[in-house]
Amino acid sequence: AQSVTQPDIHITVSEGASLELRCNYSYGATPYLFWYVQSPGQGLQLLLKYFSGDTLVQGIKGFEAEFKRSQSSFNLRKPSVHWSDAAEYFCAVGVRSGGGADGLTFGKGTHLIIQP
Amino acid sequence: DGGITQSPKYLFRKEGQNVTLSCEQNLNHDAMYWYRQDPGQGLRLIYYSQIVNDFQKGDIAEGYSVSREKKESFPLTVTSAQKNPTAFYLCASSQRALSYNEQFFGPGTRLTVL
Repeated sequence: AQSVTQPDIHITVSEGASLELRCNYSYGATPYLFWYVQSPGQGLQLLLKYFSGDTLVQGIKGFEAEFKRSQSSFNLRKPSVHWSDAAEYFCAVGVRSGGGADGLTFGKGTHLIIQP
Repeated sequence: DGGITQSPKYLFRKEGQNVTLSCEQNLNHDAMYWYRQDPGQGLRLIYYSQIVNDFQKGDIAEGYSVSREKKESFPLTVTSAQKNPTAFYLCASSQRALSYNEQFFGPGTRLTVL
């Protein structure tokens, strides 16, 4: 079965500094890859997704992610964070399940704290 | 505006009671999902539905039930058999139940068992 690992439970970054959130997946083939963001008490919003093609994907709010097949990784990056980026970030993989329908498997999330 | 609505935002339940969480979407999506979120656990799939009048169990379906009588609606009932129901519940939908389809999420319902 597929799995997603987000190694960092919490990350603290100073406002204006660069950010990288890590995501590793386990799956026998190339999965579909997603990054979602969740503000406290809210639903999830899609930041970006990778299906195929260019391995560097641009998303909303200035985020980007790079798919590295050799490392089974899909790390999220932002060159300069803003206080409004403080949130919970989830990496997810989409695969075809044995039941005939497809679903997403989510990592446990990384909580991003922005220092002034 | 198209989107997903969940109600209520906060729900309190006494032990032993069943409670139903509402999820409605006006995106004309075929597929709908229910997830449970606990602190530090990410999202876990409870049930999903690919089409009206059909639904499948997810990873943690025990103690929950659903129905899909209309395309727009996918209510979740938390039964008294669910041993630890206090959690944040998220409903989502996608155009098809395919893994490359983006899932759109509602704002969530926080259920607390007293």
